[in-house]
Amino acid sequence: EAGVAQSPRYKIIEKRQSVAFWCNPISGHATLYWYQQILGQGPKLLIQFQNNGVVDDSQLPKDRFSAERLKGVDSTLKIQPAKLEDSAVYLCASSSPGLRGDTQYFGPGTRLTVL
Amino acid sequence: AQSVAQPEDQVNVAEGNPLTVKCTYSVSGNPYLFWYVQYPNRGLQFLLKYITGDNLVKGSYGFEAEFNKSQTSFHLKKPSALVSDSALYFCALHSGAGSYQLTFGKGTKLSVIP
Repeated sequence: EAGVAQSPRYKIIEKRQSVAFWCNPISGHATLYWYQQILGQGPKLLIQFQNNGVVDDSQLPKDRFSAERLKGVDSTLKIQPAKLEDSAVYLCASSSPGLRGDTQYFGPGTRLTVL
Repeated sequence: AQSVAQPEDQVNVAEGNPLTVKCTYSVSGNPYLFWYVQYPNRGLQFLLKYITGDNLVKGSYGFEAEFNKSQTSFHLKKPSALVSDSALYFCALHSGAGSYQLTFGKGTKLSVIP
């Protein structure tokens, strides 16, 4: 079974530029999550999708971050414009069906450096 | 609000010795507890979880964890450490009520010394 795929693996941009990350969850997983992991900290949930609907985006900085999951499969997370403090690893995870106690499976992450 | 504490930033253990990585939690309602491991430049890999039932949970790569409700702890253990176990370990929590958010501790770096 293929795991969660993410691209790119690494990205370096200047502050105020835009960037987008892509995630393909495990086949058949209805729930998809985006996490931000800042160096030295545990991952923090940014947004959770159930199929193509948003379940929780309470910690997403909506003035600069956006995410979509068209057709309930792939997802894209965008930052526009980026700030220095956005430097982090962005992790995508998926689970099925997405209830409490379900295991979340993580992709390799995208390491973003904002200069 | 729910929270997870991993009181040790780093744990050093000699190869072949038993290892313990500590985790305590705070939650209203029943906890669902997880351990993940992260190798350099890799995503998080699932090790084990406690949902209900037996307080001793067995997982991947010989790891196990003991759920202790009275002490609100979920410590990760392994009887004999391998050098290849050296990595960053995260404890995480789902509450039985409220938000579906998985809350992570800040992680513990395990170093197994040959």
